[in-house]
Amino acid sequence: GIQVEQSPPDLILQEGANSTLRCNFSDSVNNLQWFHQNPWGQLINLFYIPSGTKQNGRLSATTVATERYSLLYISSSQTTDSGVYFCAVGATQGAQKLVFGQGTRLTINP
Amino acid sequence: DAMVIQNPRYQVTQFGKPVTLSCSQTLNHNVMYWYQQKSSQAPKLLFHYYDKDFNNEADTPDNFQSRRPNTSFCFLDIRSPGLGDAAMYLCATSLGGVETQYFGPGTRLLVL
Repeated sequence: GIQVEQSPPDLILQEGANSTLRCNFSDSVNNLQWFHQNPWGQLINLFYIPSGTKQNGRLSATTVATERYSLLYISSSQTTDSGVYFCAVGATQGAQKLVFGQGTRLTINP
Repeated sequence: DAMVIQNPRYQVTQFGKPVTLSCSQTLNHNVMYWYQQKSSQAPKLLFHYYDKDFNNEADTPDNFQSRRPNTSFCFLDIRSPGLGDAAMYLCATSLGGVETQYFGPGTRLLVL
């Protein structure tokens, strides 16, 4: 099955810093989503981005499907950005099934 | 607001005692999913319903079953919970297969 790798596994930053999270995947996809899991465990959808670039406030994401990677950018980090960020992909075959990476744990210190 | 609701948020059960977790949605989405997430791990898909069609993952234990009586509701039944089934159970929905999945807040299951 498709493999999803996220890096870095852990990231500790000061408030106001910028960060880039990476997601590599091993096969063609037609579904890619970025999620933020808050301290209470809920997964919040950030982007549905199987290709191209999207922006939402301080967050933006880019997926280069031909090179099998996606990047999530967080600018001017706030303490509320802390949590685990997951990339999840659906392969071209069986796109209904999302396979999650292991996540990046982001800690923003005041 | 349209949403995905899971009840209860926390569930404590005894080893071997059947338990049912519920999920409801007001999004009118035709696909509903159940994921299991153990501590410090990624969510893992157990099964999903595409309309009324049930799709089980090959490695989902037989101990886990699901029911979807109508579009809005989906249930996860654990017939004989073991200690290894303690986890967060997440319900998600989407409109069609290749679309954004929206997650509920999860039910944290503790098995004593």
